[in-house]
Formats: sequence, C-alpha cells, structure tokens
Amino acid sequence: QSVLTQPPSVSGTPGQTVTISCSGTTSNIEFNYVYWYSQLPGTAPKLLIYRDNQRPSGVPDRVSGSKSGTSASLAISGVRPEDEAIYYCEVWDDGLGSPVFGGGTKLTVL
Amino acid sequence: QVHLVESGGGAAQPGRSLRLSCAASGFTFSDYAIHWVRQAPGKGLEWVAVISYDETVKYYASSVEGRFTISRDNSRNTIYLQMNSLRPDDTAVYFCARVEQPVVVYFGMDVWGQGTTVTVSS
Repeated sequence: QSVLTQPPSVSGTPGQTVTISCSGTTSNIEFNYVYWYSQLPGTAPKLLIYRDNQRPSGVPDRVSGSKSGTSASLAISGVRPEDEAIYYCEVWDDGLGSPVFGGGTKLTVL
Repeated sequence: QVHLVESGGGAAQPGRSLRLSCAASGFTFSDYAIHWVRQAPGKGLEWVAVISYDETVKYYASSVEGRFTISRDNSRNTIYLQMNSLRPDDTAVYFCARVEQPVVVYFGMDVWGQGTTVTVSS
C-alpha cells in the first residue's frame, strides 16, 4: 500500500486532456516538492515535472503539474499515442524521513 | 552529458551478498546526493536508500535497514550499495538516481541510470 495514492489507470483519446491525481498528507505533499516521472516498459524512469510544476528542458509544455494542499496533479493536454506510459508521483515524507512514490498510473491512449 | 551507470547485479542465493556500483560522469559528483530505487518485476518504484554529497547523511527503507549499506567514493565518482542477507523479495531492478539540486537530500531525482537486475533465488 503506497503512502501516495494514484489511480491505477487513466485513458483518453488523442487530443484530449488527461489528468493524473496524487493524494498524500500533510507529512509529504503539503509542505514538500512533488515530482512526476514517466516510465516505459523495460526502461528507467524519466523526470517530467520537478518542484511541483517545473518542466525540465525537453519536456513539452503540454505537460504540466499542479498542487493544492495534500494533493497534486499531472495534466497532459493534446494526449498522443506516444504518451502511453506509467506515471509516478514522488515526494519527501517528513514523518518517514524518506521519499515516497505513488503506486503508478498507467496511461492508455485509446 | 550527465550519466549514471549501474553494475554488479546478478543472481544470488538467499542469505548471500552482492555489491552494486553506480558510476557517475558529466557533472560534479561530489556536490550531489544519490538515491537507490528498486522495482520488483511487474511492480512500482520502491525507494531503497540515499546518501548525501559528503556521506554525512544516509537513510534507508525499513525493508533493507540493517542489511544494506550505501556508501560513496568521491575520488572514483561512484556510489555503492552493499546488500547482505539477501532475500527473495529483494529481487528487482536497482536504479541509482541523482538528486536534482546540489547538496540537498530532500528533493527529487533528475537523472537515472539504466538499472541493474538482482535475482535472489535458491
């Protein structure tokens, strides 16, 4: 059971906006930066969003992150077939004294 | 270009040991904390351990505390994970990952290695 709660799966048709939620607590999301990663099968995770809403160079601006209270969200607008991946949220947890990951959300583009 | 390359994975029997290495290049290694994160077959990401840039801070997941030891050699730009008393549930791909901000430990990870596979079975 993950400390951070993500939906196991989300789906969308090409061009739609898809949102993935990440629910935490005051020990983690509310007071620490949230990070989002994508992972394709057999490959290493890739950083998509850092410090709640910042995009690394090379990540398109149709990918965005937001946070409110103890929840965070990743939004992908104009979703494409190549966006199919598993997406993880991650944040430092002050109570555990360690980073924690969400269980991952598989994005399917129909 | 910033790179992390893991090595040392392989097959081991329960109770035995393995040492993983993570070799870094393309950045000032001694300025950054490094994490180990693992992924069991078909499962999500699980954090394992982190070491600060100067080795003064080391944290471990409860599932590996007392069995795994993280260390670093800044002269060799390398992180190590000594894994003792291995168990079948340690079977996973092990990734090393750099903290995205120099010096700090509590931020997320911006660069990941390709991973090395550890299989624990009798």
